[in-house]
Amino acid sequence: NAGVTQTPKFRILKIGQSMTLQCTQDMNHNYMYWYRQDPGMGLKLIYYSVGAGITDKGEVPNGYNVSRSTTEDFPLRLELAAPSQTSVYFCASSLTGGERTYNSPLHFGNGTRLTVT
Amino acid sequence: EDQVTQSPEALRLQEGESSSLNCSYTVSGLRGLFWYRQDPGKGPEFLFTLYSAGEEKEKERLKATLTKKESFLHITAPKPEDSATYLCAVHEGTALIFGKGTTLSVSS
Repeated sequence: NAGVTQTPKFRILKIGQSMTLQCTQDMNHNYMYWYRQDPGMGLKLIYYSVGAGITDKGEVPNGYNVSRSTTEDFPLRLELAAPSQTSVYFCASSLTGGERTYNSPLHFGNGTRLTVT
Repeated sequence: EDQVTQSPEALRLQEGESSSLNCSYTVSGLRGLFWYRQDPGKGPEFLFTLYSAGEEKEKERLKATLTKKESFLHITAPKPEDSATYLCAVHEGTALIFGKGTTLSVSS
C-alpha cells in the first residue's frame, strides 16, 4: 500500500493564479482531510469529507474548494492564489471519524509546499 | 483559547537523558488523544492513541500516558534518531485538533 499520496511536492504560484493539489489514498478510508501547516501555528483543518460526494468546511476554508467524486481522491482547489496561502498542505485519511466514541488515527501524506508570490 | 497546548516548544537533550513532553487539552468528552511524530519535510506519522484516563501505551523508548486533563510523552534514554517534532491532537467534532508541537533535539 502506498498510503496517502500527494502531488506535487513543491509549487510556486503567482498571485491570482489557480491550481489543484492532488491527494489519493489506497486504504479504502471513508474520511479524508486537508490541513495546512504554518510555522509556529500547528495544523489547521481546511476541509474534510466523510465519504464520496460529501464535503464540509473546517476551521480555515476561505479561498479553497474541494470535491470528492471517488473514495480514493480528494483534490484541493485554490482559485485565486494569495500570499496568505503560502503554506505546507497535508492531506490525510482515516477509517473512522466524526462523532464516534473511538476514532481511528489519521494517516498523512508527505505534503505539498506551496509558495505564492 | 487553544484547545490543545504542548510544552515545552523545544527541548534539547543529550543522548541517554530521559525527559517528558506535555500535552494539555480542554475539550470535553474526549474521543481519543493522539501522538504523532513529524520529521522535517514529512507528514506526521502516527505513534499512539489514548482513550481514557490511566491508559498507557509504549513503543521502543516512548511511553504515552493520559490523565483527565493532560497527556505525557516520556522518552527514556533517547537517541539522536528520536530527534523530531512531536505533535499531540484530540478529536473535536469530525477531525483532529492539533497542538503546535514540541521539537526535540537529541545530541550524541
